[in-house]
Amino acid sequence: QVQLQESGPGLVKPSQTLSLTCAVSGDSISSGVYFWNWIRQPAGKGLEWLGRIYSSGSTYYHPSLKSRVTLSVDTSKNHLSLRLNSVTAADSAIYYCARQSPGTGIGDWYFDLWGRGTLVTVSS
Amino acid sequence: QSVLTQPPSVSGAPGQRVTISCTGSSSSIGADYDVHWYQQLPGKAPKLLIYGNNNRPSGVPDRFSASKSGTSASLAITGLQAEDEADYYCQSYDDSLSGYVLFGGGTKLTVL
Repeated sequence: QVQLQESGPGLVKPSQTLSLTCAVSGDSISSGVYFWNWIRQPAGKGLEWLGRIYSSGSTYYHPSLKSRVTLSVDTSKNHLSLRLNSVTAADSAIYYCARQSPGTGIGDWYFDLWGRGTLVTVSS
Repeated sequence: QSVLTQPPSVSGAPGQRVTISCTGSSSSIGADYDVHWYQQLPGKAPKLLIYGNNNRPSGVPDRFSASKSGTSASLAITGLQAEDEADYYCQSYDDSLSGYVLFGGGTKLTVL
């Protein structure tokens, strides 16, 4: 059974860098079948896609966050990481990692597996 | 930036049928990208409900169905049950700028 588990500091100070890790168990990131994504959800609000990474390290980011987000993957540890710099209160949210399975075209992939999410609060 | 528009809320009595719309644009749903739907129960992570416009993953009841036409899509739930009370999100892709994944704002379904 494949599982995703996010982890990281629950509290980050404004202007600092948010760093999270997603451990993948039951499957290998190196399999090369899936994209691995980060999605966030502010309290009481909707979902926002942050970006995705392939096992090769190829990344795609949301245009509005591209300047602040960095995704990476460590195939030896079978986990992926998110770094979001210069955070503000608006970055407070539950952060999810999610696996994206192939669709018919590059724009047709869908999120078939989600982690439970980790709450990050940006506050001094 | 492009958006997917959903009604903030819908409601229905047990046993009834409800639909949730998802309206995109010519650079998202109208560009023939697939629409997927997710169900988020209170306090839980989202769960894949429909993929590829109208396909149900294993374990999802056939009370859930979806369709797509033009720049819009819709999710239908028949035989409404109390356990269906949740937030529902549509998701597609937008090929403007450098291309990105797009979520609808979500619809809160209340079972009366």
